[in-house]
Amino acid sequence: GAGVSQSPRYKVAKRGQDVALRCDPISGHVSLFWYQQALGQGPEFLTYFQNEAQLDKSGLPSDRFFAERPEGSVSTLKIQRTQQEDSAVYLCASSRLASEQYFGPGTRLTVT
Amino acid sequence: DQQVKQNSPSLSVQEGRISILNCDYTNSMFDYFLWYKKYPAEGPTFLISISSIKDKNEDGRFTVFLNKSAKHLSLHIVPSQPGDSAVYFCAASALDDYKLSFGAGTTVTVRA
Repeated sequence: GAGVSQSPRYKVAKRGQDVALRCDPISGHVSLFWYQQALGQGPEFLTYFQNEAQLDKSGLPSDRFFAERPEGSVSTLKIQRTQQEDSAVYLCASSRLASEQYFGPGTRLTVT
Repeated sequence: DQQVKQNSPSLSVQEGRISILNCDYTNSMFDYFLWYKKYPAEGPTFLISISSIKDKNEDGRFTVFLNKSAKHLSLHIVPSQPGDSAVYFCAASALDDYKLSFGAGTTVTVRA
């Protein structure tokens, strides 16, 4: 299918390790979003790209979180020096401008 | 602070009957509302949306009602089917702000 894909689907990291999570959006979608979903909660906004420009990063919880989308397509969310509170499902979504967002299956990150 | 609230964590309904899911919001700048459905180990899937200029939107078995004065919306599913068993998230966005604010979700179980 031509949906949003994310990799890896599952990631276990030891506390202090760096991780990189990848998102492949739907082809042609200008907008790309990252959300963090804790257990039993709804997704919470992290950051937003329009093409390669990061227009909003107000939801990133700390400077250990960094996202990029250098060519306006694939995006990577990087978390440095992971902590246990970073354990969550990280969801990527893409959309045309001002349209509904389509979500990927998420990456479940467990920090031990 | 939680700007979108789903106060019922779960709902059980008999097959063929109506499911009614409720959602309240606090941010008066929200002008676009969506419902997403989520199966385990998958990302949320867009279900139906409504703009603040309307008070009702219908798509097949799904109808969303919006009461702006009460800052309340609801999703009606009729008739409920076993495949409707999932977690349903209410989400909202403000004008010119593409990020979504989500509720915590309601788990719907449709009994045969």
